[in-house]
Amino acid sequence: KAGVTQTPRYLIKTRGQQVTLSCSPISGHRSVSWYQQTPGQGLQFLFEYFSETQRNKGNFPGRFSGRQFSNSRSEMNVSTLELGDSALYLCASSTGLAGGPGGSDTQYFGPGTRLTVL
Amino acid sequence: AQSVTQLDSQVPVFEEAPVELRCNYSSSVSVYLFWYVQYPNQGLQLLLKYLSGSTLVKGINGFEAEFNKSQTSFHLRKPSVHISDTAEYFCAVGDQGGSEKLVFGKGTKLTVNP
Repeated sequence: KAGVTQTPRYLIKTRGQQVTLSCSPISGHRSVSWYQQTPGQGLQFLFEYFSETQRNKGNFPGRFSGRQFSNSRSEMNVSTLELGDSALYLCASSTGLAGGPGGSDTQYFGPGTRLTVL
Repeated sequence: AQSVTQLDSQVPVFEEAPVELRCNYSSSVSVYLFWYVQYPNQGLQLLLKYLSGSTLVKGINGFEAEFNKSQTSFHLRKPSVHISDTAEYFCAVGDQGGSEKLVFGKGTKLTVNP
């Protein structure tokens, strides 16, 4: 089974621009989560989508948005880029069907997209 | 809100020595706990997870962890490490807010020296 794929792997943008990152989950997985990883803040949750609906959102400004398509592929968009948005953006997929209060499903991570803002 | 504290940011050890990476969590409800490993320029890979049942959890690559509810800890151990275990290790707790959100610790960089 193919793993989680993320495109592009590397991006260089300038301040004020916008960027769109893409994530293709493992076949059959309906949940896609996004995380930002920086040396200072570590791994921080951005949002999770399940069956095209945002199920949870982290504490990030509205410049960060996402969506999920009917085939479970997901995109995240960052508008008006700032220097502090430079980070590794990780996508993770899971079945999303573990049930209960959530948080017990195994997340499978992609290799990430390294975004550099100049 | 749940939180995770990894007590050591860096742990250097010699090859074939035992290692313990420490993790403490804070939660007002029952928890789901995970350990992930990240090799350079890669995503995260699940080592093991605790959902319920036996407090000793065995994972891949010879790692194991013990859930201790009274001490709110979930320390990761390996009896004999290899050079190839050099990586960053993350402890995480499932959010239980109705989604699959994970709350991560800051990570522990394990360096195995020859």
